[in-house]
Amino acid sequence: NAGVTQTPKFRVLKTGQSMTLLCAQDMNHEYMYWYRQDPGMGLRLIHYSVGEGTTAKGEVPDGYNVSRLKKQNFLLGLESAAPSQTSVYFCASSYGTSGAETQYFGPGTRLLVL
Amino acid sequence: AQSVTQLDSHVSVSEGTPVLLRCNYSSSYSPSLFWYVQHPNKGLQLLLKYTSAATLVKGINGFEAEFKKSETSFHLTKPSAHMSDAAEYFCVVSLGGFQKLVFGTGTRLLVSP
Repeated sequence: NAGVTQTPKFRVLKTGQSMTLLCAQDMNHEYMYWYRQDPGMGLRLIHYSVGEGTTAKGEVPDGYNVSRLKKQNFLLGLESAAPSQTSVYFCASSYGTSGAETQYFGPGTRLLVL
Repeated sequence: AQSVTQLDSHVSVSEGTPVLLRCNYSSSYSPSLFWYVQHPNKGLQLLLKYTSAATLVKGINGFEAEFKKSETSFHLTKPSAHMSDAAEYFCVVSLGGFQKLVFGTGTRLLVSP
């Protein structure tokens, strides 16, 4: 099992460019999440998905879009990148909805927007 | 609203001495609480979690945490630090429905020889 994988590992963008971050999990989890991590702020939830074909907004959704066309994949898109989106992005997945389920995290994508 | 406060941004210990990382939570109902660890340039890994069963929770690598409702605390401890414990540690509370997590700001543990 690879667990949760993220592509790419590192990317540099210019302001206004677009890109898509890919998250894949092989644990048959229903729930998937995208977080961003900024210095001194912990992780903040961007968007999440409770199943194939469904998405919902988290704490900081502005400037991002997501899609979950397949159960194992969760895509995060930046349509017009801004320097404020420079961050480390983590994807996570979990099996259930009890509130006590463990979330499994990917290794992260480091994004620099110039 | 649910939140967590990690009381120390940095903790420095010597190898072989005890570790204490402090976390206080705020929750309107009985929470689920987690400690995650993040090694440099790595993703987050679950250390342990509290889910309203035993108040003393044992995790991986010799870590444990005690849920104290009266103090609204969930401090992480380890009897003897190892160099490999140097990492950032996050205290996390679950919002319940759809398993949305709220992260503390993290505590960086430094271990010196």
